[in-house]
Amino acid sequence: QIALKESGPALVKPTQTLTLTCTISGFSLTTSGVGVGWIRQPPGKALEWLALIFWDDDKHYSPSLKNRLTITKDTSKNQVVLTMTNMDPVDTATYYCAHRTNYDHLWGTYRPDNWFDPWGQGTLVTVSS
Amino acid sequence: DIQMTQSPSSLSASVGDRVTITCRASQSISSYLNWYQQKPGKAPKLLIYAASILQSGVPSRFSGSGSGTDFTLTISSLQPEDFATYYCQQSYNYPPITFGQGTRLEIK
Repeated sequence: QIALKESGPALVKPTQTLTLTCTISGFSLTTSGVGVGWIRQPPGKALEWLALIFWDDDKHYSPSLKNRLTITKDTSKNQVVLTMTNMDPVDTATYYCAHRTNYDHLWGTYRPDNWFDPWGQGTLVTVSS
Repeated sequence: DIQMTQSPSSLSASVGDRVTITCRASQSISSYLNWYQQKPGKAPKLLIYAASILQSGVPSRFSGSGSGTDFTLTISSLQPEDFATYYCQQSYNYPPITFGQGTRLEIK
């Protein structure tokens, strides 16, 4: 079955660069239509989408964070990596990676949409000096 | 950017109650609306995609409806395990993909 797991530092200092790795299993980053997204959630707050990468290396970023984010994939390692530069205490959050899909199980078709299923367990990143 | 606004922000209900949560988009998003459930300390779980299609394995007491700008998530008879926070999400026009602010469903 499909599974994802995030890894990375639990603590980073302000101005440092955060590198998070999402290790996937149960699907391939080379399969047409496949995508992996990153979403974060500050403590007690709502979900915020960060970035999305597709099997063909098409990439999309949150416009508000685009200048700080880079998403890449390593198909040989089954990994997706997110880097975020110039970290600030407001970036303290749980960071999730998630499998992007658009397969409609009901009709057996692909829809022109994006939803995330399943998600990784998340990793809490604290930004503090 | 398309803004997603959920109401109410929090809700108290009892086991067995019928509950409805609303999500409104700042512009039409057709049926490109998905719902997630998140329990404390856990990752979100997909409940409904394309506004009204129940994800495999999700109990039938959950249902979704709507199109355009107004959407609802209904739980027909609340069960103890349904007390959680619910989020809507759109990707009709992205980036960005946007989520609602969440609706916290608490036990009365």
